[in-house]
Formats: sequence, C-alpha cells, structure tokens
Amino acid sequence: DQQVKQNSPSLSVQEGRISILNCDYTNSMFDYFLWYKKYPAEGPTFLISISSIKDKNEDGRFTVFLNKSAKHLSLHIVPSQPGDSAVYFCAASGNQGAQKLVFGQGTRLTINP
Amino acid sequence: SQTIHQWPATLVQPVGSPLSLECTVEGTSNPNLYWYRQAAGRGLQLLFYSVGIGQISSEVPQNLSASRPQDRQFILSSKKLLLSDSGFYLCAWSGWSSYNSPLHFGNGTRLTVT
Repeated sequence: DQQVKQNSPSLSVQEGRISILNCDYTNSMFDYFLWYKKYPAEGPTFLISISSIKDKNEDGRFTVFLNKSAKHLSLHIVPSQPGDSAVYFCAASGNQGAQKLVFGQGTRLTINP
Repeated sequence: SQTIHQWPATLVQPVGSPLSLECTVEGTSNPNLYWYRQAAGRGLQLLFYSVGIGQISSEVPQNLSASRPQDRQFILSSKKLLLSDSGFYLCAWSGWSSYNSPLHFGNGTRLTVT
C-alpha cells in the first residue's frame, strides 16, 4: 500500500524555467510534509517542509504547496538551475511521535542548459 | 554542528553471510535514530527507529535487526543475508525534542548480496 506516491519517475526542465514536482498521499492522518533532495551516492538532504495548517511555504527559489482536500503537494523550483538536477523525494508523517516518515518513490529532475 | 557517519559506503556479501553496518552521530545528544532502506526503483522504507539506548522499534518483519549500544551509535545487523537484502541502506537522526524536526541522513551503504 503506497501511501505517498510520486507518479512521475523523471522530469526534464530547461534552465531558468520553473520545475514542478508533484506528490499525492492517501492517509488523511498525515500532518507534516517534507521534500528531500538526493544526489547519487549520497544520502537525501532536507529541502523544505510544510505543516498541514498551512497551504504554502517558501524558501528562496523553493516553494511547497499543500492541497489538503486533494491530498496533493507540489514543489516549485524557480528559476531552475543545473545544480538542481537530482532525485527529489516527498515524505509525510502523522501524529506518531518519532519521525516515522513515509517516502514517495522519488522523481529524477534533470535541468538542461 | 551535527554530523552523521555511516560505513562502509559499499559492501558486497555472499548469501548466508553476516552483516554489520554502523552509524554514529556527533554534535547532539539523545537523538532519535533510524535505519531506512531504498530498494531499486522504490522509495525509502523505514526499517527501525530508536528513541533511546536499547530501545528499538521494528517497522517491517524482516531478516535484519538493529541495536543501539550507545546514545549516538546505531547498528544494523543480520545473521544470514538473503538476496532480497540487497539495497541502499541509510542511517538518519532527528532531534528528540521537536516533533517536526526533519531527518538528517548519512551518505548510505550500497549492499549487494550475491
């Protein structure tokens, strides 16, 4: 049972344009959502998060949008840069104490010069 | 600043052999510690987490076990590896005092069981 889904395994975007990565979830108990970025042979690094009491959180070029009624979140990167090429994971957690994150399968983002 | 060390980076082991992966955290006390696995083409799956020394919670039934002999040390073990144990294993930590503190991952161990 895949509670967090990233339906696009890959995405290719031109440098300078907007990258939009999508994520859907099924568990209505999730109340905290995160995006991680992963380069090859490295562990994921935390990028940005959003609590369920908000619908938008912005940090520099990165903005996460949350649509609770649709159980959907998205990550916008604008403008996209070559260094943004990586695998992006969305993750969610609910009221479970320790950080028991449920991760999506990841989307490989490639920024073309 | 906090750092997390995980080793080895890569490991090739025959089926039936034992496994021991180690993870240590520096610069923080009482961290929550986690072992995740990423199988090929799949997301990260939580295997074990620990909120204190000797306290281990297992998330999925499996051929692996975890131990936390010291506050900042987390070990993933197996007595006999299976082919299906191949994958990318990640150790992570988070702060204990803030429910919504993000996870911080090590660089992972690529395990290939042959």
